[in-house]
Parts: sequence; C-alpha cells; structure tokens
Amino acid sequence: DAGVIQSPRHEVTEMGQEVTLRCKPISGHDYLFWYRQTMMRGLELLIYFNNNVPIDDSGMPEDRFSAKMPNASFSTLKIQPSEPRDSAVYFCASSLWEGSFYNEQFFGPGTRLTVL
Amino acid sequence: DQQVKQNSPSLSVQEGRISILNCDYTNSMFDYFLWYKKYPAEGPTFLISISSIKDKNEDGRFTVFLNKSAKHLSLHIVPSQPGDSAVYFCAASSNAGGTSYGKLTFGQGTILTVHP
Repeated sequence: DAGVIQSPRHEVTEMGQEVTLRCKPISGHDYLFWYRQTMMRGLELLIYFNNNVPIDDSGMPEDRFSAKMPNASFSTLKIQPSEPRDSAVYFCASSLWEGSFYNEQFFGPGTRLTVL
Repeated sequence: DQQVKQNSPSLSVQEGRISILNCDYTNSMFDYFLWYKKYPAEGPTFLISISSIKDKNEDGRFTVFLNKSAKHLSLHIVPSQPGDSAVYFCAASSNAGGTSYGKLTFGQGTILTVHP
C-alpha cells in the first residue's frame, strides 16, 4: 500500500500567489483530513471530509482557504491569495470508519509551504 | 482555545531510562486518546491509544496512563532508545457523533531526545 500521497513536498511562492496542495488518500478510506502544523499551534485540523462531503470546516482560518474532494481518491487545499503567515507544513490524513472507537488516522509526508 | 495541551516543549533523557511525556485536556467530552510520533520530514504515525473506559494501556515499551478526574494522560517509554527521538503528539477524540466524529484535536507536541 502506497500510503497517503501528498504533492508537492515543498512549495515556495510569493505573497499574493495562489497555492494548491494535493492529496491522494489510502484506497478505501472514507475520511480525509487536512491539517496545518506550526511551531506555535502544533497540529491544527483545518477541514475534514466523509465520503467526499465536507463535514467540518470550522478550522479553516479564513476565506482565502478552500478545500475540495471531487472523488474518493483526490483532494485539494487551495490558498488564494497566499500570505507569509500561511507558511507551515500542511498534512493530509485519511482513515476508515470500522464501527469502533478506533480513529487512527494515517498521515501523508506533508507539504512544506513557504510564502515570501 | 487549546483543548489539548502539552506543556513541555522538549524532554531529554539518557538511553535506557524512562521517558514520561505529559498531556492535559479540558474538554470532558473527549473519550478516546492517542499518541502519535513524528520524525523530521515525515508525517505523524500512530503509536498507542486508550479509551476512556480504561486507565492504562500497554504495548511493548510504551504505556499510556489516563487520569480522567485530572483530565491528564501520560506516555511512558521504558527503556528509552535513541531511535525514540522524535516529536510526540497527544491527540483526543470524541465519539459523540454528529460533526465531532473522526475529528482529532492535537497538542503542540513534545520533542523527545534520547542520548546514547
């Protein structure tokens, strides 16, 4: 199994530019999560999907952030326009509901975003 | 509002000794707790979990203790090994249903360094 795949692994852009981060979850998983990691706030949940439907986007910082999941094998997180304070590592994770308390999430390697 | 807190940003221990990582939470609805380990340039990986119906769970060198009345959990690693050096994240979940299902709230992380 390839695990969760994220691209790009590193992104450097200038303030004001649009940034698109991509994620391919583990095949068969029905939940997909987007997180942001910063030194100050640790790992923050931005949004998550169940069966391609957004369930909770209360962590999305502002309207500049948007996420989509057009099908079960692909999701994007878009920032437009980007700002220097968006610089962070963005993780995608997926999980499978198996009717128990077990909520293990499998994380991708992350995308390190730097906005100059 | 940090619902899950790891108050020690870093911990340094000698190989062979015990490592104790601590985590506090404020939300009484949390009923499932997880520890994740993260190496540089990789995504977090699941380590061990505990349900609120238990107060202890062991897996090899790793033991998690839960004190519900104090809203506190800890991860013990015995004996510590240099390969354990990583960032450790505490996470909490509520299985009350609705939009809370599947959602993990993470702490800021603790950097563990195990010296040979």
